[in-house]
Amino acid sequence: DSGVTQTPKHLITATGQRVTLRCSPRSGDLSVYWYQQSLDQGLQFLIQYYNGEERAKGNILERFSAQQFPDLHSELNLSSLELGDSALYFCASSVQGSGSYNEQFFGPGTRLTVL
Amino acid sequence: DQQVKQNSPSLSVQEGRISILNCDYTNSMFDYFLWYKKYPAEGPTFLISISSIKDKNEDGRFTVFLNKSAKHLSLHIVPSQPGDSAVYFCAAWGRRALTFGSGTRLQVQP
Repeated sequence: DSGVTQTPKHLITATGQRVTLRCSPRSGDLSVYWYQQSLDQGLQFLIQYYNGEERAKGNILERFSAQQFPDLHSELNLSSLELGDSALYFCASSVQGSGSYNEQFFGPGTRLTVL
Repeated sequence: DQQVKQNSPSLSVQEGRISILNCDYTNSMFDYFLWYKKYPAEGPTFLISISSIKDKNEDGRFTVFLNKSAKHLSLHIVPSQPGDSAVYFCAAWGRRALTFGSGTRLQVQP
C-alpha cells in the first residue's frame, strides 16, 4: 500500500459525458501528479500540482483539467469524453515538486471505460 | 516522439536464471533513471534507480546499469523468481516529470 488513494476504481460512461477522478496523496506529500496509461502503452504524464498550484504540464488535452484543493487532494476532470479516453489514470504523490527527482508513490489507478 | 523506449514487450525466463530488461532513451537532459514494477490492478511501485553520474547501482538481486554514451540502461535480476513476474517500466526524470517506456512483461517460469 503506497498510501495514495484513488476513487473510483472503475468508471464506465458514455461518449460526450464528463467524469471526475479523485486522488488523495500520502500524508505529508505536497505534490500530486496525474498520468494516463492507454492499452499497452507507458504512463503518459498529464499534469502536476504542488501545494495547490499547477507546477508542470504534460500531454494533457484541453478537454481535461485538474485542481488541487487546500487539503491537498486532487481531482482530474475529463469532459466531452471520447472512446480514445478509455485508459487507466494514475495519480502519484511526492514530498517536493521540482528540481531533482523526488520519489513518486503511485495510487492503484482508476480504470475509465468510455462506451 | 518516444523519448524512452522499451523495445521488448515481453520476456520469459526460467526461475533461477538472469533476467535482463533493456531501455533506450533519446533525451540527453534526463538526469535520473528508474525502474518500476507493476502487478495487475495495482499502481507502479519503485524498484531501483540510478543517477546519470553513475554507471551501476545494485540492490539485492536487482542491478541497474547505465551507459550514457549509448543512452541505454538495463535492469538485471539475478536469480529470477516467480514472484518477479510483472510488467517492468523504465522511466527517466527530466526536471519536471517522469517519462515512461511502454513496459516489458516479465514471466518467470518455475
